Amino acid sequence: DGGITQSPKYLFRKEGQNVTLSCEQNLNHDAMYWYRQDPGQGLRLIYYSQIVNDFQKGDIAEGYSVSREKKESFPLTVTSAQKNPTAFYLCASSITGIGEKLFFGSGTQLSVL
Amino acid sequence: EDKVVQSPLSLVVHEGDTVTLNCSYEVTNFRSLLWYKQEKKAPTFLFMLTSSGIEKKSGRLSSILDKKELSSILNITATQTGDSAIYLCTRGGSEKLVFGKGTKLTVNP
Repeated sequence: DGGITQSPKYLFRKEGQNVTLSCEQNLNHDAMYWYRQDPGQGLRLIYYSQIVNDFQKGDIAEGYSVSREKKESFPLTVTSAQKNPTAFYLCASSITGIGEKLFFGSGTQLSVL
Repeated sequence: EDKVVQSPLSLVVHEGDTVTLNCSYEVTNFRSLLWYKQEKKAPTFLFMLTSSGIEKKSGRLSSILDKKELSSILNITATQTGDSAIYLCTRGGSEKLVFGKGTKLTVNP
């Protein structure tokens, strides 16, 4: 079955630690996105990528980094510079990235120890 | 700055009620407005609207776009407890998709 797989479902970060959230898709979509969801805040865009080896900052990119070395994969690293990382993280993809519907993964809940 | 505003932010109704959720946008390069339902984890797609005044329907859900008023509504008739969710809207038109804060709908039996 085609879809988007995020792992892990739950992740705990110690202070000063970098953690990486995985996102893989087998839909052959060009565009991929990372969103952060806090209670009452809707979805806020962290990073997006429309093509391999290229990505753009979203509205809240500080403290995060991404890579897009393969079309199928768009991992997100939450660095120690992100002082308030506790949130629900959603990865999504779309066919080309312009005004189309998004397909979402099941999310990763990140908490700080 | 692109902005999408949803109202109300929270709504509690009884089964069988009809609800109307609102989404307004302040955007340039508008191409579409999309609605999603988020029950637990992954939001699922409901509607994509591109033309003003044309209603889209799926069962008890319907939605319409008003480009003149820069807004869209999502109607749910004869609500059921399974409709309890967060309803998100977003506008398409650039690669930087902007979401509203969502409307949390609770349907009580």
